[in-house]
Amino acid sequence: DAGVTQSPTHLIKTRGQHVTLRCSPISGHKSVSWYQQVLGQGPQFIFQYYEKEERGRGNFPDRFSARQFPNYSSELNVNALLLGDSALYLCASSLNRGQNNEQFFGPGTRLTVL
Amino acid sequence: AQSVTQPDIHITVSEGASLELRCNYSYGATPYLFWYVQSPGQGLQLLLKYFSGDTLVQGIKGFEAEFKRSQSSFNLRKPSVHWSDAAEYFCAVATFSGGYNKLIFGAGTRLAVHP
Repeated sequence: DAGVTQSPTHLIKTRGQHVTLRCSPISGHKSVSWYQQVLGQGPQFIFQYYEKEERGRGNFPDRFSARQFPNYSSELNVNALLLGDSALYLCASSLNRGQNNEQFFGPGTRLTVL
Repeated sequence: AQSVTQPDIHITVSEGASLELRCNYSYGATPYLFWYVQSPGQGLQLLLKYFSGDTLVQGIKGFEAEFKRSQSSFNLRKPSVHWSDAAEYFCAVATFSGGYNKLIFGAGTRLAVHP
């Protein structure tokens, strides 16, 4: 079975640009979460989507947005990129949104902002 | 506030030696705890998890972890380290609030293995 997939693998942008990252969850998983991992730190929660609705949001500015499609895939959008947005962006899927639902992570998208 | 602390940023062990990575958590309700491993440039792979029951949990690749509620700890152990275990290890606690769940991660411990 295919795991969580993310695209692209790597991305280089300049300050002020916009970026879209994509995630396909494991088949049958209805929940997708996004995390930002800055170099040398643990991942930080950005969003959780469940059944195509935003269910939770971390402490990130409004420049960060996301959506989930009917097939449960998801996009993360970041506007007006800053140097500090350079990070590994991880997508995780789970069956549901309960606390005891294991989250399966994709390989991530490495974003570099110059 | 909910948090996870991994006191050791970097640990170096010799191949074949035993390993213990420390993790302390702060969470008011029943903790759901995880250990993940991340190889360079890769995503996160789940090593093991604790939800309830036996406080000693077994995971993949020969790892185990012990949940100690009195110490708010969930330390990861391996009796004999292999060179392929060199990676970064993250401890995490799952929270559920406001109708959604999220993982709170520690800062990670980078493990180096000497031959």
